[in-house]
Amino acid sequence: GQQLNQSPQSMFIQEGEDVSMNCTSSSIFNTWLWYKQDPGEGPVLLIALYKAGELTSNGRLTAQFGITRKDSFLNISASIPSDVGIYFCAGRLTGTASKLTFGTGTRLQVTL
Amino acid sequence: GAGVSQSPSNKVTEKGKDVELRCDPISGHTALYWYRQSLGQGLEFLIYFQGNSAPDKSGLPSDRFSAERTGGSVSTLTIQRTQQEDSAVYLCASSLRTSGRARSGELFFGEGSRLTVL
Repeated sequence: GQQLNQSPQSMFIQEGEDVSMNCTSSSIFNTWLWYKQDPGEGPVLLIALYKAGELTSNGRLTAQFGITRKDSFLNISASIPSDVGIYFCAGRLTGTASKLTFGTGTRLQVTL
Repeated sequence: GAGVSQSPSNKVTEKGKDVELRCDPISGHTALYWYRQSLGQGLEFLIYFQGNSAPDKSGLPSDRFSAERTGGSVSTLTIQRTQQEDSAVYLCASSLRTSGRARSGELFFGEGSRLTVL
């Protein structure tokens, strides 16, 4: 089935550093979403993108919907310890109205 | 309720037994999804409901898996004759609707039901 390639798989950074992760696909998506999952919990929506080229911020988080509609990135500025978790990109294929396809996740660890 | 509610939160069962997992979506959300997350993995789509019907059940891994939704609300995922490879966290999500205007496709997840098959 359709897969989203998410990178990096994991990151180990220091508090205060900026973080960047991205998601790519061989297919065109009409929606990109970024979720964060803490241990033992379900994913929580961070940012939703609906138009090619769209750039959206949510506090220290910024995400963009790639112009080609086949990629998206998420940036976290000035990371803090509570940013620890797994970040998933998710997309909805053009022509589908149902399921989201999820990336494999980026595990972020932040040290003081 | 305020969020998606799933039960049980943890279930340990013996191989070969049947299990039922329940999802109570956010009130007013017409779309409901089941995903599976194996240890350290991403989310694997299982099935999606619009109202009480399931237009897309392409992710169900075998005929041992089934799901239903009644009253446009609560959904039950049933796994018959469980196998060890069924061990995973089963996540339910709901959304307002699946197409159309912006924000309608945003999924809100429950905390999941962790299934362990011994």
